[in-house]
Amino acid sequence: AQRVTQPEKLLSVFKGAPVELKCNYSYSGSPELFWYVQYSRQRLQLLLRHISRESIKGFTADLNKGETSFHLKKPFAQEEDSAMYYCALRGNSGYALNFGKGTSLLVTP
Amino acid sequence: GAVVSQHPSWVICKSGTSVKIECRSLDFQATTMFWYRQFPKQSLMLMATSNEGSKATYEQGVEKDKFLINHASLTLSTLTVTSAHPEDSSFYICSASMGAPGSYNEQFFGPGTRLTVL
Repeated sequence: AQRVTQPEKLLSVFKGAPVELKCNYSYSGSPELFWYVQYSRQRLQLLLRHISRESIKGFTADLNKGETSFHLKKPFAQEEDSAMYYCALRGNSGYALNFGKGTSLLVTP
Repeated sequence: GAVVSQHPSWVICKSGTSVKIECRSLDFQATTMFWYRQFPKQSLMLMATSNEGSKATYEQGVEKDKFLINHASLTLSTLTVTSAHPEDSSFYICSASMGAPGSYNEQFFGPGTRLTVL
């Protein structure tokens, strides 16, 4: 069975501080992992995926198969990073996404 | 590019009536569309996956006779909530992707539709 766990409902950090949003998954095969972001009053949009290994808006995420984690990190948080972040998994048997419950990130000045 | 729209953005209806929600890909052809449901402060739960011209695949626990999905064209999918009840009140979100089913193709999300059943 697929499962995505985001243990933190809310994460509050000061501007300029490092931020890490945790995501753990369970899946028996080789999953694809994604981070989606939803800014206030906007639709869900893709932030990054582990296959591309890219940095978007200063965020990075490394897939750690040993720890089954895909934590999202940014060294210096900005106020405009305040949003809802969802970790998602796509198994290799299909193309639907399985979302975690989301973490609300609040960056305060 | 890759914009997905939903109509209506919100709807209020009486218990027992049916409500249709449209999902359109505005500037691309969507081979596959997905319907999600989101309860307040909770995650998106996949309801069904639909491929153009074929029957939708529903997730376990989702009543296909209650949530009718039609994907008649490459740019339009509809979700009809039949005989709606207050417990069907939720935020319904669609997403669309292009390309061959099974391969990775980014999902582009619609803005969602807020359904309130009185």
